[in-house]
Amino acid sequence: DAGVIQSPRHEVTEMGQEVTLRCKPISGHDYLFWYRQTMMRGLELLIYFNNNVPIDDSGMPEDRFSAKMPNASFSTLKIQPSEPRDSAVYFCASSRLAINYNEQFFGPGTRLTVL
Amino acid sequence: SQQGEEDPQALSIQEGENATMNCSYKTSINNLQWYRQNSGRGLVHLILIRSNEREKHSGRLRVTLDTSKKSSSLLITASRAADTASYFCATAKEGSQGNLIFGKGTKLSVKP
Repeated sequence: DAGVIQSPRHEVTEMGQEVTLRCKPISGHDYLFWYRQTMMRGLELLIYFNNNVPIDDSGMPEDRFSAKMPNASFSTLKIQPSEPRDSAVYFCASSRLAINYNEQFFGPGTRLTVL
Repeated sequence: SQQGEEDPQALSIQEGENATMNCSYKTSINNLQWYRQNSGRGLVHLILIRSNEREKHSGRLRVTLDTSKKSSSLLITASRAADTASYFCATAKEGSQGNLIFGKGTKLSVKP
């Protein structure tokens, strides 16, 4: 298995531009998570899906952020318009729910820089 | 706010020494997990301990859980330079649906 795949690995954009981050979870996993990591705030859960349905988006910073999961093998996180404070590493993770919560498998992350 | 808080924030030791990291949390949990993150990489799962377990081993890793004190510790024995990384605890709250809450991590540096 290739693991969780994220693209792009690095993104540099200018303030006001739209940014789309992509994630392919591990096949067979029924949970997908989007995280943001910064030095100041650590690792923050933005949103997570179960069987393609958003379960909790309370971590999404504001309306500029949106996430979709059109099918079991693909998810996007979109920021429109982007701002410098959105600069961070964004991780996607997936897991398969067991009775006592299985481990999460993380992708390599997308390093976003908004100028 | 973060559910788990690791202590210390940073730890520097010599190769061959043991490293101990602690994690405290606030609410009742189903399980607690430890992850490692190498610089510039995603997190990697190390070990999971359930709320009804008190100690667990995996290779050079030993994890303890004290639910009465809402705390856990991760011990890495005979550390190696390759253990240099950040270590995070993550908790699965009782009744939650598969999501984890991560602490801010302990940055471990093992000097050869």
